[in-house]
Amino acid sequence: LAKTTQPISMDSYEGQEVNITCSHNNIATNDYITWYQQFPSQGPRFIIQGYKTKVTNEVASLFIPADRKSSTLSLPRVSLSDTAVYYCLVGDIKGNDMRFGAGTRLTVKP
Amino acid sequence: GAVVSQHPSRVICKSGTSVKIECRSLDFQATTMFWYRQFPKQSLMLMATSNEGSKATYEQGVEKDKFLINHASLTLSTLTVTSAHPEDSSFYICSASGLAGGNEQFFGPGTRLTVL
Repeated sequence: LAKTTQPISMDSYEGQEVNITCSHNNIATNDYITWYQQFPSQGPRFIIQGYKTKVTNEVASLFIPADRKSSTLSLPRVSLSDTAVYYCLVGDIKGNDMRFGAGTRLTVKP
Repeated sequence: GAVVSQHPSRVICKSGTSVKIECRSLDFQATTMFWYRQFPKQSLMLMATSNEGSKATYEQGVEKDKFLINHASLTLSTLTVTSAHPEDSSFYICSASGLAGGNEQFFGPGTRLTVL
């Protein structure tokens, strides 16, 4: 059983900021939160990973509140090429017990 | 980032034959490799977890005698689908972890298996 819950789909327009929230109420003390992007017929691609507070890299930001029961992936100024399925996963340091949920299908419109 | 490759990328076989899929970590040592299966329009389903040099741990409902996993080295894991049937047709994806500093998994590009 997946340990995360996300919206099934989201629509946005080019240039907008997109925030995708993931619930993980039963996150364990040793769990990290990782987000992946997947295009059709390709393997998932790592976006960002965090444990607490805020993490930012060149493509996204990850916001994690103090209780760590949820997290929000923020994609600044999306483009058409960001149309994909986004998965939020939680798992321990070795990546064990990581389960994919249904993911969020993001559609970016012109 | 680290690179994981899979071979072949696509395979078509007849029902009853066996198919081997290779997963390689090209520039890092993978202490743990994971195998997933993904049907059209669905999420990835974890099939098994394998640690180098030990037997794979299969998820509930996955037949270990049908999906043979070998993780003989720190850079190679193989999945063999034995006596394949049309219902085994799917997209098989492997991932590897083992870099220091976190549990980031690096995914391969996937293998599309079609059983006729």
